[in-house]
Amino acid sequence: EDQVTQSPEALRLQEGESSSLNCSYTVSGLRGLFWYRQDPGKGPEFLFTLYSAGEEKEKERLKATLTKKESFLHITAPKPEDSATYLCAVQVVPGNTGKLIFGQGTTLQVKP
Amino acid sequence: NAGVMQNPRHLVRRRGQEARLRCSPVKGHSHVYWYRQLPEEGLKFMVYLQKENIIDESGMPKERFSAEFPKEGPSILRIQQVVRGDSAAYFCASSLDRGQETQYFGPGTRLLVL
Repeated sequence: EDQVTQSPEALRLQEGESSSLNCSYTVSGLRGLFWYRQDPGKGPEFLFTLYSAGEEKEKERLKATLTKKESFLHITAPKPEDSATYLCAVQVVPGNTGKLIFGQGTTLQVKP
Repeated sequence: NAGVMQNPRHLVRRRGQEARLRCSPVKGHSHVYWYRQLPEEGLKFMVYLQKENIIDESGMPKERFSAEFPKEGPSILRIQQVVRGDSAAYFCASSLDRGQETQYFGPGTRLLVL
């Protein structure tokens, strides 16, 4: 069964304290891996898509990386406004419906 | 630059009533996905639709739930005879194409069943 596991469930950081969030996946075949950010009471906001092992994407203080078994979301010198739940999701092959399989998320709190 | 729109944002229903959730995709997007987020659980896929077609409904409960995406108008997720266990946030996402295309999510509809 295709599965996505995120760790840790919750993470508290001081402003400026860099860290990484993990997304491990077990799938029949990976079509793509997606990172989203979700604020309380809102819908997921797209951050990155990664398609192949070794690929990296960056946006401001965030950097996403991908291996054959997991992805990391690195947060460099976070600010309080980075506080949110970060969701990892995969699309798998075979099959071409495009549905996303989500992990449980990592809730990040950045204290000033 | 209108994103995905969902309405209502909040919906309260009594047990046994019907709930209708609407989703207007990003302009130009013809692929719509519905996901459900139960309290303390992650997002779960429900159904994938293209205009006038259901492509994948493998995540839909077998009874009481239905979805459509007509040629004109928004996509509708319909829940008949709601029960308390249906209380959740329902999110719609749209994409330009399936496969590797990114899905953009709406703000969600929070359904509360009394």
